[in-house]
Amino acid sequence: AQKVTQAQTEISVVEKEDVTLDCVYETRDTTYYLFWYKQPPSGELVFLIRRNSFDEQNEISGRYSWNFQKSTSSFNFTITASQVVDSAVYFCAPVSSGSARQLTFGSGTQLTVLP
Amino acid sequence: DSGVTQTPKHLITATGQRVTLRCSPRSGDLSVYWYQQSLDQGLQFLIQYYNGEERAKGNILERFSAQQFPDLHSELNLSSLELGDSALYFCASSGRDSSRETQYFGPGTRLLVL
Repeated sequence: AQKVTQAQTEISVVEKEDVTLDCVYETRDTTYYLFWYKQPPSGELVFLIRRNSFDEQNEISGRYSWNFQKSTSSFNFTITASQVVDSAVYFCAPVSSGSARQLTFGSGTQLTVLP
Repeated sequence: DSGVTQTPKHLITATGQRVTLRCSPRSGDLSVYWYQQSLDQGLQFLIQYYNGEERAKGNILERFSAQQFPDLHSELNLSSLELGDSALYFCASSGRDSSRETQYFGPGTRLLVL
């Protein structure tokens, strides 16, 4: 079974600040995928990024970047120069690479970006 | 727009009733997943279908059932509804391209049981 801990329940920043969302996961799988999803106030779940467990290269995509460290089971997500539209709940979720591919969601981090 | 559609968007019903939620996956996706999001339980996986066959089960109650049809759309049936079944129900699909493992979510069906 997999488990996800998002210790930050709520974060509030002022527009243009950088913000990092923490995620620590537990899994018995040797290979797996890690995801971040965003849920804005409108309620839909929006896919943001995916990472493979066998590739620890950290990447940047626009204002998003992520830091994956397998040794500490952490998959942190950073938004650079935050905007009001980034206000949402952010979920980290690992998924097994086996035949059962269900996502295991953390409790989410509510990010509020103030103008 | 993820390409996954769900109907209805909102549903209000009474305890003891039965409802059916419908999901159409992205074109070509073979896997459909159902998730429930409630205030006390958070986002939980219910069940997965792949090309018409049940692939995995999560915390799905016996009062709930699902199926995936030959055209790949899926339905989630909730019966003998209780107040605690009030939640946002999401459908997700995956499997169209090389990013097979990425699940794309529909807008959800918000169920209110009175």
